[in-house]
Amino acid sequence: NAGVTQTPKFRVLKTGQSMTLLCAQDMNHEYMYWYRQDPGMGLRLIHYSVGEGTTAKGEVPDGYNVSRLKKQNFLLGLESAAPSQTSVYFCASSNRVAAKNIQYFGAGTRLSVL
Amino acid sequence: DQQVKQNSPSLSVQEGRISILNCDYTNSMFDYFLWYKKYPAEGPTFLISISSIKDKNEDGRFTVFLNKSAKHLSLHIVPSQPGDSAVYFCAASARETSGSRLTFGEGTQLTVNP
Repeated sequence: NAGVTQTPKFRVLKTGQSMTLLCAQDMNHEYMYWYRQDPGMGLRLIHYSVGEGTTAKGEVPDGYNVSRLKKQNFLLGLESAAPSQTSVYFCASSNRVAAKNIQYFGAGTRLSVL
Repeated sequence: DQQVKQNSPSLSVQEGRISILNCDYTNSMFDYFLWYKKYPAEGPTFLISISSIKDKNEDGRFTVFLNKSAKHLSLHIVPSQPGDSAVYFCAASARETSGSRLTFGEGTQLTVNP
């Protein structure tokens, strides 16, 4: 039972390079989310999706783009990486049960931008 | 503004004693609260939750208390075990929020000493 899988686990980029982080879930969840975690700041929502083909901005969306072409996948793109995007990125998914939103997380991607 | 706040970055307790982790919130629309546990190099995992219609929820060694008038919740772990050493995140959601988004606190590092 894989749950939420993130690839890659680690990546080092140079400033200005681009990359895509992949999130895949096998729980048939409607909702998917991308967060970043920085020291002392908890988890901050970057973008989220309430269903296939839909995306919306979260708390810190600048510098990122997302796509949800298939229900099970949620991609996070960095078009031109900056040192401020050095962080640990987590993907999560949940069912469309508004009263009880338990999100399930992947293991994270550690990104360093030099 | 930080709508969910965990004022203690760290907490250290002896094995067998009680651990009390605290969380405060400012948004009166929040109606569902969760605690997540996170080990190094892993994603957050759901621990326990509570709806705003309750003031207590218990699951084994873990109990969450909610004081709506004070906008405060706490997680009690009794008895604490070394394996409980992890970062604990408090999170909150509002039923009417698009995508059932969660707002996280900064986290508290719990260390349980043998």
